[in-house]
Amino acid sequence: GQQVMQIPQYQHVQEGEDFTTYCNSSTTLSNIQWYKQRPGGHPVFLIQLVKSGEVKKQKRLTFQFGEAKKNSSLHITATQTTDVGTYFCAGLGGAGSYQLTFGKGTKLSVIP
Amino acid sequence: DAGVTQSPTHLIKTRGQQVTLRCSPKSGHDTVSWYQQALGQGPQFIFQYYEEEERQRGNFPDRFSGHQFPNYSSELNVNALLLGDSALYLCASSFTQVDEQYFGPGTRLTVT
Repeated sequence: GQQVMQIPQYQHVQEGEDFTTYCNSSTTLSNIQWYKQRPGGHPVFLIQLVKSGEVKKQKRLTFQFGEAKKNSSLHITATQTTDVGTYFCAGLGGAGSYQLTFGKGTKLSVIP
Repeated sequence: DAGVTQSPTHLIKTRGQQVTLRCSPKSGHDTVSWYQQALGQGPQFIFQYYEEEERQRGNFPDRFSGHQFPNYSSELNVNALLLGDSALYLCASSFTQVDEQYFGPGTRLTVT
């Protein structure tokens, strides 16, 4: 079945430093979604990427979808303490698939 | 506008028992998906309901079953509980079967 790998598992950064998490799928995806889960909370949708090579920005967050639609990344510029949480990528398989497969997530800690 | 609601918040059951978890989707959403999230892991897709039918199922045994009602609310039933079923069960609703997921706060199930 489809597998989604995410690295790193943990990342500790000093406030103001940049952060990147990478996501890799074993199969070609129809789209990829990113979610953030705060400690004790539930996943909250951040963005969806659909097109090959797509890049989207949300303030300090930059999301990329690979040309082959099998990998993606999330980059945060100048982290803040409010960025703390676990970031998950989730891939939707090919046509006719409604199963969203989540990676294990990257847990971000920001040291003030 | 109420978001996704789930009940109960917490539940403690004994091995071998049966449990029913409930979910009401966000207003305007007709698709409901259920996920199991073990501690430190990403959500794992259990199944998705649309138009009162199970449309897709993840890699979960038949002990996991569900239902969707005409008002789009949904139930997740788990029979013959095992210790390994202890997890956070998340319900998510979406506008279509492939759109972004809006997650509820989850039900924390503990099996002793």
